Amino acid sequence: AQRVTQPEKLLSVFKGAPVELKCNYSYSGSPELFWYVQYSRQRLQLLLRHISRESIKGFTADLNKGETSFHLKKPFAQEEDSAMYYCALRGVGSNYKLTFGKGTLLTVNP
Amino acid sequence: EAGVTQFPSHSVIEKGQTVTLRCDPISGHDNLYWYRRVMGKEIKFLLHFVKESKQDESGMPNNRFLAERTGGTYSTLKVQPAELEDSGVYFCASSQQGGQFFGPGTRLTVL
Repeated sequence: AQRVTQPEKLLSVFKGAPVELKCNYSYSGSPELFWYVQYSRQRLQLLLRHISRESIKGFTADLNKGETSFHLKKPFAQEEDSAMYYCALRGVGSNYKLTFGKGTLLTVNP
Repeated sequence: EAGVTQFPSHSVIEKGQTVTLRCDPISGHDNLYWYRRVMGKEIKFLLHFVKESKQDESGMPNNRFLAERTGGTYSTLKVQPAELEDSGVYFCASSQQGGQFFGPGTRLTVL
């Protein structure tokens, strides 16, 4: 069975501080990992996917297969980063469904 | 380019009634997905269409839920009869290759 765990329901930091949103997964194989973000009153949107190895809005995430983790990091948080963040996993092959974690609500205080 | 659209944005019905949710995917996207988030729980997969065919409906909770995608364009998700535990936000997503693009969701409240 595939599972995604986001241990922090809420995370609060001050503007300019580093932020790390944790994500651990369990999957028997090599999954594809994603971070989705939902800003207030907006739809869920794709932030990062691990195979792209890119930085979006200053966020990066590295897939650590040994620790089965895909933590999302940003060195200097901004107030506009306040949002709900979801980590998601997709299995390989024809199984396209996403398995989501419960999400972490990030609040960046001024 | 228009994103994924869903209708209605909110629906309040009584237990035992029928509700039909609609999703219009991004034009040209063969893959269409339905997900649901009930209060306090994670977003969960319901089913996946490839064009008009059901590829995976392993997440459908029970036979009160019926999804269709006639012609491989828009999709409907009908709940009949609705129960209290069906309350939640129903998301639709579409993709061609790569990441899935989500609609704004339909908030369903069953009283």
